[in-house]
Amino acid sequence: DGGITQSPKYLFRKEGQNVTLSCEQNLNHDAMYWYRQDPGQGLRLIYYSQIVNDFQKGDIAEGYSVSREKKESFPLTVTSAQKNPTAFYLCASTKSGQSNSPLHFGNGTRLTVT
Amino acid sequence: QQPVQSPQAVILREGEDAVINCSSSKALYSVHWYRQKHGEAPVFLMILLKGGEQKGHEKISASFNEKKQQSSLYLTASQLSYSGTYFCGTDDSGTYKYIFGTGTRLKVLA
Repeated sequence: DGGITQSPKYLFRKEGQNVTLSCEQNLNHDAMYWYRQDPGQGLRLIYYSQIVNDFQKGDIAEGYSVSREKKESFPLTVTSAQKNPTAFYLCASTKSGQSNSPLHFGNGTRLTVT
Repeated sequence: QQPVQSPQAVILREGEDAVINCSSSKALYSVHWYRQKHGEAPVFLMILLKGGEQKGHEKISASFNEKKQQSSLYLTASQLSYSGTYFCGTDDSGTYKYIFGTGTRLKVLA
């Protein structure tokens, strides 16, 4: 079955360390997205990518970086510059990035930085 | 700016109805609705593409008014399984940038 795989489910890091969250999809989707969700809050867009080797900043890109070297993969790096990295991170994809295509989500990675 | 949803939270008894609204300051080309259970990823409920369009999914339906830049989600005869946080989602001004509304927490009590 096709889907989006995020790994790991839980991730613990020390403050000051960079950490990379994995997102892989086998849906043959063009567009991919990263969102951050804090407890009891909504979904805020970090980065998104329409095609390979191209990506755009979302509303809260500071302290994060991404790459899109393959259509299937869109890893997110949380750098030490991100002041409050502890959160639930969701990766999503959509077929064409257009209005008639809803997002498909991975199961998320819960990052805790101490 | 993200769409604003109202109410922020609502508590219902089983069998009661609820309406969740999603309002945008920008033109809406389409609206998607999702439900998220605690600790899980959002799940897609339905899509609305045309102005005034109303779609249904069992006892959950929605409407979309392009002119008013609004969408509403209607939950009738609510069940315990309807509990969760509901989000509207849309592409920002018809671009690939996909954003979500502020969210509405729904709790259904037995």
